[in-house]
Amino acid sequence: EPEVTQTPSHQVTQMGQEVILRCVPISNHLYFYWYRQILGQKVEFLVSFYNNEISEKSEIFDDQFSVERPDGSNFTLKIRSTKLEDSAMYFCASSELRERGYEQYFGPGTRLTVT
Amino acid sequence: DAKTTQPTSMDCAEGRAANLPCNHSTISGNEYVYWYRQIHSQGPQYIIHGLKNNETNEMASLIITEDRKSSTLILPHATLRDTAVYYCIVRVKAAGNKLTFGGGTRVLVKP
Repeated sequence: EPEVTQTPSHQVTQMGQEVILRCVPISNHLYFYWYRQILGQKVEFLVSFYNNEISEKSEIFDDQFSVERPDGSNFTLKIRSTKLEDSAMYFCASSELRERGYEQYFGPGTRLTVT
Repeated sequence: DAKTTQPTSMDCAEGRAANLPCNHSTISGNEYVYWYRQIHSQGPQYIIHGLKNNETNEMASLIITEDRKSSTLILPHATLRDTAVYYCIVRVKAAGNKLTFGGGTRVLVKP
């Protein structure tokens, strides 16, 4: 069964450094998303992306964040200058365009630790 | 999106049916009920969704009341691997719509 993959599984970085989290969505999916989950808290929406543009973003997704689809398979989340409070699990998800349920399929996540 | 209310936690015996309730009294006519689950910090996993009719798939059944103000997810024969946090989410079914997760119900399946 096709699945969303994410790399790395765990990223440790120092405050102020740039990080890029990578995702490979399911191949025929056209909508892509990033969510995050701070330890012990709810899963929070960050951004959705379609047709090389951001469709929607939350107030969390400020100027420090950016997303990109650099080629036909990868979808990336960049955090320009990491803060301690960016430590969280980051989940990528994708969904089809054709109507069924528009259910989103999630990857296993990248655990980001900012020290 | 309409807000949902779920119990914080519940236990279930292995092999028995698990019935997970969800209240969504402010649901709009064009909003669907979706269920996801998250097993121990893994990525959320889609389970099932419905509008007003009862739905069943290989994972679960979804019963939605006639007034659509509440629903129940049924795991027919719970296994230890069904231990997870289960999220009931109400959203308009449209491409690209975000999922808004609440606190969910922490289900512990016991032997």
